[in-house]
This record gives sequence, structure tokens and C-alpha cells, in this order.
Amino acid sequence: KAGVTQTPRYLIKTRGQQVTLSCSPISGHRSVSWYQQTPGQGLQFLFEYFSETQRNKGNFPGRFSGRQFSNSRSEMNVSTLELGDSALYLCASSLQGSSYEQYFGPGTRLTVT
Amino acid sequence: QQQVKQSPQSLIVQKGGISIINCAYENTAFDYFPWYQQFPGKGPALLIAIRPDVSEKKEGRFTISFNKSAKQFSLHIMDSQPGDSATYFCAASGPGNTGKLIFGQGTTLQVKP
Repeated sequence: KAGVTQTPRYLIKTRGQQVTLSCSPISGHRSVSWYQQTPGQGLQFLFEYFSETQRNKGNFPGRFSGRQFSNSRSEMNVSTLELGDSALYLCASSLQGSSYEQYFGPGTRLTVT
Repeated sequence: QQQVKQSPQSLIVQKGGISIINCAYENTAFDYFPWYQQFPGKGPALLIAIRPDVSEKKEGRFTISFNKSAKQFSLHIMDSQPGDSATYFCAASGPGNTGKLIFGQGTTLQVKP
């Protein structure tokens, strides 16, 4: 079974621009969670989508948004990029229900200049 | 109350030794406690996980010990190998399957040959 895939793997953007990151979950997984990883703050939860609905949201500004499609693929968008948004953005997929296990993709490394 | 505190920040162990990483939590509603292993340039990989109704779980060389009354859990890596050198994260989730993991700050493990 293929793992979680994320595209693109690397991205360089300029402050003020917006960016869209994509995540394809493991086949059959219906939940996608997004996390931001930085050296200073560690791994922080952004939001979780299940059946195209955002069920849970972390403590991030409204510039961070996401969506999930009917095939469970998910995208996250960051508008008006700031230097502090430079991070590794990880998505994780899960079967949900009684299965709590989350499986992570390789991440998208975003650099804001 | 949502925090998970992890220690030590870094750990050096000789090959064949036991590596021990500890985590503490505040929220007694947490009901799922996984450990992840992350190599540079990769996403976190699920190692082993435990629920609070079990005091210990072993998978190969990896063991989780769970102390519900102390609100602590730990990862033991037996017969540590140089290939185990990575960053380890504990996490917690709950109550219920929220799709949200709260991570500790991570422990960088180096296993010397």
C-alpha cells in the first residue's frame, strides 16, 4: 500500500504571497490532519478533516486554511505569508473510527523570504 | 493542561545499551499515547502506541511503560543500535478520536558504536 504523499516537497515563496500544499492519504483513510514543524515550536496541530468537514482546529491564525475533497485528498492554504511561516508542513492520514493511528507523509519544506 | 512535556532533550547511549525517554502530561482525558521516530528529511514514523488501560506494551526492542496515576509514560529502546539514532517524539490525544495529536518537544538520540 502506498504511503501518504505530499506535494510539492520543497517550496520557496516571498513574504505576502500565498501558497497551497497538497496531501494524498493512504488508500482507504478518510481523515487527514495537518501539522507545522519548526525548531522552536516543535510539532503543532493545524487542523483535521474527515469526510470533507473540518472537525478540529489548532491555535493558528485565519491565514491558515484547508479543505478536503471527496476522494479524501486534502489541501492547505496559507495566505499573506510571513517569515515565521517557514516550516516543515506535515500531513498525516488515519482510518478513524476505532483506529487512532496517524501515518505521516514526508512533508513540504516551505521557505518564506 | 494540553501540554506534553518530554525529557531529556538529547541522549547519548552506547551501542547495546538501553535508551529511556520520558513524557508527562496533565490532561487526564487523554486516551491515546503514541511514540514517533523521525529521521532527518523524513516525516515522523509511528513506532508504538498505548492506551491508558494498559501499563506496558512491547514491540520488538521498543517498550512503552505507562503510569496512569503519575500521568507519565516512557519509551525504552533495548539493545540500542546506531540505526536507532533519530529524534523521538511522544504524543497524546483525546478524549476520543479527535485527529489531533499533541506532541512533546522531542528527544535527539545518538547511539555510539
